[in-house]
Order: sequence, then C-alpha cells, then structure tokens
Amino acid sequence: QSALTQPPSASGSPGQSVTISCTGTSSDVGGYNYVSWYQQHPGKAPKLMIYEVTKRPSGVPDRFSGSKSGNTASLTVSGLQAEDEADFYCSSYAGSNNFVVFGGGTKLTVL
Amino acid sequence: QVQLVQSGAEVKKPGASVKVSCKASGYTFISYGINWVRQAPGQGLEWMGWINAYNGNTNYAQKLQGRVTMTTDTSTSTAYMELRSLRSDDTAVYYCARGLNDIAVAFFDYWGQGTLVTVSS
Repeated sequence: QSALTQPPSASGSPGQSVTISCTGTSSDVGGYNYVSWYQQHPGKAPKLMIYEVTKRPSGVPDRFSGSKSGNTASLTVSGLQAEDEADFYCSSYAGSNNFVVFGGGTKLTVL
Repeated sequence: QVQLVQSGAEVKKPGASVKVSCKASGYTFISYGINWVRQAPGQGLEWMGWINAYNGNTNYAQKLQGRVTMTTDTSTSTAYMELRSLRSDDTAVYYCARGLNDIAVAFFDYWGQGTLVTVSS
C-alpha cells in the first residue's frame, strides 16, 4: 500500500482538462511544499513534470500545472493530447523518518 | 547534456547480493545527490534511498535498512547501490535519479535508463 493515495485511473478526450489528486497527511503532502509529479510511459523511465508543488522544469509544456490544498495535491493537464497518455506518480518529502514517499500511480487515458 | 547511464540487467539467486552502478555525465557530480528508486513488475515507484555526492551522507528507506548500501566514486562520477540478502520480491527495475544535495527538496530531475534485477532460484 502506497503512502500517498491516487486514483488508479483518469481519462479525458483530446482538448479537455483532467485533474489527478494525490492525498497524503500532514506529515508529508500537508507539511511541506515539496510535492512533485512524474510521467511514465510504458517501458520508459519516469520524467519530472512538476516540482515544489507548482514549478515546471524547463521543457515541460504549460498545459501541466500543479497545486495543493491541505493534505491533497493535484496535477491538472489542460488541452489533453494523445501523447499525454501515461502513468502519473506524485511524491512528497515526508520528514526525517520516511524521507520520500510516492503515490500508487494514476493511469491517464486519452479517449 | 545530463546523462545517467546504469549497468546492465542482473539475474541473482535468493540470498545473493547485487550491485548496480550509475555513471553520471554532463554536470558537476558532487553538486547533486543521487537517489535510487525501484519499480516491481506492474507496480508503482518505491524510493529506496539517497546519497549526498558531496559528503557521502546517506538516508535509506526504513524497510531496506540493513540490506542496502549506497556509495559514490567521485573520481569516476559513479554512484552504486548494493542490495543484499535478495528475495523474490526484490525483483524490479532499479533506477538512479539525480536530486539535490538536500533530501528535503525531494524531486528528481534526471533518471537513468533503469536496471532490471531478477531474483529467482
């Protein structure tokens, strides 16, 4: 069982927006602004999409955005494109006992 | 460009050890940390631990304490992850990933290609 809870699946049609949630506790997501999101295509290494809750690395389209409210972080993908279909994982710093925790992953399907 | 190149696939028997390498290039090795993340077949990501490449400090996931050791060789810009007393549930793809030299700022911006470790009798 993963430390952070994500929905197993999400979907949307091309051009639509979809939001993926990531729920933790006050000891991880709610306690630190160190939530990040990763995209993983089948057979590939994960790719950093969002870090420190809202920041986008260079080269990541601005269609991807992050936010946080309380113990829940969210990733929104706007203007869905076929190539966005992938697994998405959230992670958070979790203090000096657990350090880093991941969510179980969400499979995003573009209909 | 930043690259992390990992060693090749391994097949090990239960109880054995495995050591995976991760050679970094394209950046100043000691200015960043290296994390290790694994992914069992069909499963999610699991953080294993982190090493500060500047001073060698490490932090490990509690469930792996005592079985895992992470080291670096700054002369070759290479990080290593050794896992001992292997079990079948250690079968996974093991990734190295660049982070900062501060584990609290826990994001990983470059990843290796992954190393499949299969534990089977």
